[in-house]
Amino acid sequence: EPEVTQTPSHQVTQMGQEVILRCVPISNHLYFYWYRQILGQKVEFLVSFYNNEISEKSEIFDDQFSVERPDGSNFTLKIRSTKLEDSAMYFCASSEAASRMFFGEGSRLTVL
Amino acid sequence: AQSVTQLDSHVSVSEGTPVLLRCNYSSSYSPSLFWYVQHPNKGLQLLLKYTSAATLVKGINGFEAEFKKSETSFHLTKPSAHMSDAAEYFCVVSEQAGTALIFGKGTTLSVSS
Repeated sequence: EPEVTQTPSHQVTQMGQEVILRCVPISNHLYFYWYRQILGQKVEFLVSFYNNEISEKSEIFDDQFSVERPDGSNFTLKIRSTKLEDSAMYFCASSEAASRMFFGEGSRLTVL
Repeated sequence: AQSVTQLDSHVSVSEGTPVLLRCNYSSSYSPSLFWYVQHPNKGLQLLLKYTSAATLVKGINGFEAEFKKSETSFHLTKPSAHMSDAAEYFCVVSEQAGTALIFGKGTTLSVSS
């Protein structure tokens, strides 16, 4: 079965540092997403990306966050200046227009 | 606005007994509904998906769910639990393809021998 891959699997960073989480979506998919799950809480939508632009974003996705598809294969989430409350598992997902969403295994971010 | 309510935060069953994980949804349109499973330290795996075709949806690993519009429910069932079913289960709603998924808070399924 096709897979969405995410790197790193776990990143530890100091508060205020920039973090980039990387995702390789499934190759023929057109829609890309980031979700996060704070420990013990539910999975929350951050942002969706289609046709090289953000199509939808939640109130969580503030100016500290940005997404990019720099080379046609990777899909990155950047957090400019991390805060303690950014500690979470971040899931990347991709989908074709009308089919199931495939999730990666997640990148665990720990902000100290 | 869409929302999902998973009625039980934790369900415990014995191996070989039936599983019922309850989910109610709210949506302005005809929604797509999903159940995802998350095993410890693993990503989210799609169990099954309803998109206005048959109301009884069969998924992987023997799970199925029935869409009941009159009750706005999409409960997940399995006739006989297996130890490997122990995981976190999420009921999810989406109003149309390509838009954000709205997750329920999750139900932890424990299976004892």
